[in-house]
Amino acid sequence: QSVLTQPPSVSAAPGQKVTISCSGSSSNIGNNYVSWYQQLPGTAPKLLIYDNNKRPSGIPDRFSGSKSGTSGTLDITGLQTGDEADYYCGTWDSSLSVVVFGGGTKLTVL
Amino acid sequence: EVQVVETGGGLIQPGGSLRLSCAASGFTVSSNYMSWVRQAPGKGLEWVSVIYSGGDTHYADSVKGRFTISRDNSKNTLYLQMNSLRAEDTAVYYCTTAYSSGWGYWGQGTLVTVSS
Repeated sequence: QSVLTQPPSVSAAPGQKVTISCSGSSSNIGNNYVSWYQQLPGTAPKLLIYDNNKRPSGIPDRFSGSKSGTSGTLDITGLQTGDEADYYCGTWDSSLSVVVFGGGTKLTVL
Repeated sequence: EVQVVETGGGLIQPGGSLRLSCAASGFTVSSNYMSWVRQAPGKGLEWVSVIYSGGDTHYADSVKGRFTISRDNSKNTLYLQMNSLRAEDTAVYYCTTAYSSGWGYWGQGTLVTVSS
């Protein structure tokens, strides 16, 4: 059972938009930054979003993040078949003094 | 170019020990927050441990008292000493370094299999 809650799966058609949620609490998302990671099959995770809504160099602006209260959100627009992957949210939990990840969301581009 | 390369994984019997290494290039390990994150087969990401630039360390409850994170500044290398290994420690272990509040640079991972 992960400290951060994500939907197990989401799906959408190519070109469409999908939203992935990440629900936490005041001890983690509520008082810390959220980051998002993409893990393509058979590869290491890749940082997509940090500090709630910032993109590292090279990440397309089709990927965007936001945070409201104790929840974070990853939006992906203009979906491509190459976006099929597992997506994870992460943050620091101030009460537990640990890094926490969500359970992951599998994106299927139909 | 920033790069981290993990080594040291393998097949180990329950109760055994293993030391993972993470050789870094393009940045200084001692000046950055460094973490180990693992992923059991078919499962999600699980954070294991972090070492701060100041030397403070934190561990997941699942490994506390069994695993030790450390670094060798002269070799620019991060380590994870794993003792009293259990079957549930079987996973790919990734080394990663902080990128602001996120974990920005990841290695390819090293597989640890705990089995008799």
